[in-house]
Amino acid sequence: QQQVKQSPQSLIVQKGGISIINCAYENTAFDYFPWYQQFPGKGPALLIAIRPDVSEKKEGRFTISFNKSAKQFSLHIMDSQPGDSATYFCAAISGGGADGLTFGKGTHLIIQP
Amino acid sequence: EAGVAQSPRYKIIEKRQSVAFWCNPISGHATLYWYQQILGQGPKLLIQFQNNGVVDDSQLPKDRFSAERLKGVDSTLKIQPAKLEDSAVYLCASSRGLETQYFGPGTRLLVL
Repeated sequence: QQQVKQSPQSLIVQKGGISIINCAYENTAFDYFPWYQQFPGKGPALLIAIRPDVSEKKEGRFTISFNKSAKQFSLHIMDSQPGDSATYFCAAISGGGADGLTFGKGTHLIIQP
Repeated sequence: EAGVAQSPRYKIIEKRQSVAFWCNPISGHATLYWYQQILGQGPKLLIQFQNNGVVDDSQLPKDRFSAERLKGVDSTLKIQPAKLEDSAVYLCASSRGLETQYFGPGTRLLVL
């Protein structure tokens, strides 16, 4: 059972454009939603995270939008750069973090120069 | 501070052989996780330790996988015997609290 659904599977964006990745979850017990960035041959690295009591969080060029009623959240990368080319995973965790992360299947993002 | 260390980085074995992976978490991190990442998918939690006790191993195939965390620091994950479908990247992560997890580079396993 996939508890976090992520789309699109792959995404190509021109340099300077906005990259948008969407996720939906089913388990209402989830209470923390991080996004991870993974480069080839590396482990995932935490990019930005949000709690469900906040509708939006911004850190630099990265913004999470959260819709609790729709059980959806998304990552927006503004002014996308070639260095942003990576695989992005949304994830969710419950129990105040007592459980392990449940990941989406990932989005392979390519930023064309 | 040093990150999560894992070894080996790559391993190729034949099916039915055994293999072991090692993880050294970030100093002071009480919680340690092992994840399995199959090509094209997100990581899947296999087992979670809090200090040297198991918190969650519900997704660990216990007939062939085992893990231990000695003295609440280093951890080893073992597969015996390996199957073709075990080919994946095995990621170790650690956290000080319960939310922000830091991942190691992973061990890439290929079972032939």
